[in-house]
Amino acid sequence: DVKVTQSSRYLVKRTGEKVFLECVQDMDHENMFWYRQDPGLGLRLIYFSYDVKMKEKGDIPEGYSVSREKKERFSLILESASTNQTSMYLCASSLPQGYGYTFGSGTRLTVV
Amino acid sequence: AQKVTQAQTEISVVEKEDVTLDCVYETRDTTYYLFWYKQPPSGELVFLIRRNSFDEQNEISGRYSWNFQKSTSSFNFTITASQVVDSAVYFCALSGRFTSGTYKYIFGTGTRLKVLA
Repeated sequence: DVKVTQSSRYLVKRTGEKVFLECVQDMDHENMFWYRQDPGLGLRLIYFSYDVKMKEKGDIPEGYSVSREKKERFSLILESASTNQTSMYLCASSLPQGYGYTFGSGTRLTVV
Repeated sequence: AQKVTQAQTEISVVEKEDVTLDCVYETRDTTYYLFWYKQPPSGELVFLIRRNSFDEQNEISGRYSWNFQKSTSSFNFTITASQVVDSAVYFCALSGRFTSGTYKYIFGTGTRLKVLA
């Protein structure tokens, strides 16, 4: 069964901490994505990667960075966590064409 | 600009009722894809259907059916004889393009469906 695995289901961090959210896929997909999901706002794209070491900004990249050193792994980094980054974070992967995403189970991050 | 609108924030129905979730989209692309995803309480988004812009045939899969109408830019989703297990948030999505030429998806804000026993 193909999978996108997010390392943590729940995470609580303090304001100002550097936070790493990890995502691994086993489908050899070129594309990987990070979204955040907030009530009433749906899913908003933070960053996207279409190849190793390649990335593009999404709609809300401010306060975030990403790293993709290996094809199967895509990390989201909060350089200095703030309370307004409390959210559900969803990772997804896909083939290059529009065949649909496979999502991970999400990481619910709380910044206190 | 590309946009997906799901005007229904929350719908409650009684088990066995039929329910339709609306999705209206905007795009200037001539070729695009439309999707529906289900997000149960567990949190993981589950792919339901993909439709490309050249295929306007309606599709039925068990109790689920989808009605795609380019003339009204709508891609509506109907659940027949709803069940409690259908309770979830449902997202409609539209494919768009990054500057790199690769696809990305624009999601609607979701419709929360509650099916009451």
